[in-house]
Amino acid sequence: DQQVKQNSPSLSVQEGRISILNCDYTNSMFDYFLWYKKYPAEGPTFLISISSIKDKNEDGRFTVFLNKSAKHLSLHIVPSQPGDSAVYFCAASETYGQNFVFGPGTRLSVLP
Amino acid sequence: DTGVSQDPRHKITKRGQNVTFRCDPISEHNRLYWYRQTLGQGPEFLTYFQNEAQLEKSRLLSDRFSAERPKGSFSTLEIQRTEQGDSAMYLCASSSPQPLETQYFGPGTRLLVL
Repeated sequence: DQQVKQNSPSLSVQEGRISILNCDYTNSMFDYFLWYKKYPAEGPTFLISISSIKDKNEDGRFTVFLNKSAKHLSLHIVPSQPGDSAVYFCAASETYGQNFVFGPGTRLSVLP
Repeated sequence: DTGVSQDPRHKITKRGQNVTFRCDPISEHNRLYWYRQTLGQGPEFLTYFQNEAQLEKSRLLSDRFSAERPKGSFSTLEIQRTEQGDSAMYLCASSSPQPLETQYFGPGTRLLVL
């Protein structure tokens, strides 16, 4: 049973538009969430994180929103650039815990 | 610092052989993690070290798998009697707990068991 779900395996967005990647989780004990980006033949690269005491965290073009009641978070990329094309993983842990649980990833394609 | 490094980047082996992978974490990081990733899936946690102590092991880590971090610096992951189902990308990550824990990943070792 997947505790972290990313129900969209892929997403295509036009350059300059907003990309919205979604993540749902089932474990109510999760309270720290991260987004990673992965290019082919490379390890995942940390993008942005959010703890449960916040509902929004912003870093440049990247914003993560957390809705604890819905057990849902999303990553917004504005404006999207072709270099953002990659697989994006959502990960969650309990109280900055050691065992991060990853979702299956969403492949984002930003079209020029 | 060049980040987390892993060696080798690729390994092809025959079923039944033993393989060993190495991970060198970011130097000031005291936590080190091993993950396995198969096609179409996110990384799955295998085991975790704080300094030289192995603090947590996933049920995915069968008896054929062993990990060490003898001096609290680099780590090795050994798979004995490899099986075709062991074919995957093996990722290492390191972190320090402050400010908020963020794991930094290496490039991974891709294992193919024939």
